[in-house]
Amino acid sequence: DAKTTQPPSMDCAEGRAANLPCNHSTISGNEYVYWYRQIHSQGPQYIIHGLKNNETNEMASLIITEDRKSSTLILPHATLRDTAVYYCIVRVLRNTGKLIFGQGTTLQVKP
Amino acid sequence: GAVVSQHPSWVICKSGTSVKIECRSLDFQATTMFWYRQFPKQSLMLMATSNEGSKATYEQGVEKDKFLINHASLTLSTLTVTSAHPEDSSFYICSARSEGYTFGSGTRLTVV
Repeated sequence: DAKTTQPPSMDCAEGRAANLPCNHSTISGNEYVYWYRQIHSQGPQYIIHGLKNNETNEMASLIITEDRKSSTLILPHATLRDTAVYYCIVRVLRNTGKLIFGQGTTLQVKP
Repeated sequence: GAVVSQHPSWVICKSGTSVKIECRSLDFQATTMFWYRQFPKQSLMLMATSNEGSKATYEQGVEKDKFLINHASLTLSTLTVTSAHPEDSSFYICSARSEGYTFGSGTRLTVV
């Protein structure tokens, strides 16, 4: 799986959009970008994944650059409950093997 | 959606005793489950991959005789921390693969 780089921490004002970047410059053509988050003292939660087109679901939007070397997770209207560690993971879609977590980005949503 | 139940959510045990943590897939069958450990302010570290009906695969540096994994059915995997010591105190999380990866809510183990 390709390596990812994320900033260790970010702040966001409640109600504003939170934009979390992820660099994955060594991504392969068949690797997807996945995002998970972990709220304190809970198990990780799946957010969204994509290959090359932008994706949106009820939780977030995923913007992947044209060269696929980086992506941004967007929480359109952050709430205090979105305070969590966000993990960007790159892997092949059909890979049923282990999921490896990097250090992630700690997002602090402030009132 | 897929649900993974992990029990207990927290446990305190005395040094030298053993503790068993259960991980169940509630509405799907999971031939493979994963066990992670997480220390404070650190990321999840994969400990082992649990395979139904066969031996678990441990990550490098994880003591297989200390962290016993049993995956006897398609819906249950257990992690037993044997002869626990204070340094084993951690947050243990299991995961099972359905269409994606679903995680349990974690077990906070404190060894005193």
